[in-house]
Amino acid sequence: EIVLTQSPGTLSLSPGERATLSCRASQSVSSNFLAWYQQKPGQAPRLLIYGASTRATGIPDRFSGSGSGTDFTLIITRLEPEDFAVYYCQHYGSPPRTFGQGTKVEIK
Amino acid sequence: EVQLVESGGGLVQPGGSLRLSCAASGFTFSYYAIYWVRQAPGKGLEYVSAISSNGDITDYANSVKGRFTISRDNSKNTVHLQMGSLKAEDMAVYYCAGGQGVMEVWGKGTTVTVSS
Repeated sequence: EIVLTQSPGTLSLSPGERATLSCRASQSVSSNFLAWYQQKPGQAPRLLIYGASTRATGIPDRFSGSGSGTDFTLIITRLEPEDFAVYYCQHYGSPPRTFGQGTKVEIK
Repeated sequence: EVQLVESGGGLVQPGGSLRLSCAASGFTFSYYAIYWVRQAPGKGLEYVSAISSNGDITDYANSVKGRFTISRDNSKNTVHLQMGSLKAEDMAVYYCAGGQGVMEVWGKGTTVTVSS
């Protein structure tokens, strides 16, 4: 089973600032089958990024993903008020398709 | 409108059983794998189970293997999650999600409470 470790646990930033979120895998993620999801309180998660770097339909270009192998990054270039949420990475190359524990991006 | 709607959640005693359903509309259901993901109160997302588009491949998290069974009926655009030997740690909001590898579409979730 691949274990995903996200850091930091919480990121305190102001609107307009840049957010950098990390996801590290315990073993290489095959074919970069790594996704990022956003979840706001009381809502279901929403797919942001798949294939490590491809934005899902309708996702603004301030969200970008990068990385390969065991190290992946989600960057939000300029935080908008609606971006304050919890972000999860997930690998989906092979079962079980585990999630990281999440990074909360909160307003400073 | 692309939609997944979960149902079947509720209160169940430890050791009991419950069947969750996930009904799909607005897309070609038989093309998509379906996943169940749960979230315990105040916790993160936990992968539970998956079933391939034609139902011939299933997999489960270690935490539910042997207790949960996933199935689908493509004629009714529905997936079921049969949950047995329920424990307190199974208490969560259960989401179904659909996609071709990745979880593209999500339902709003159904709540399972395990308590005596």
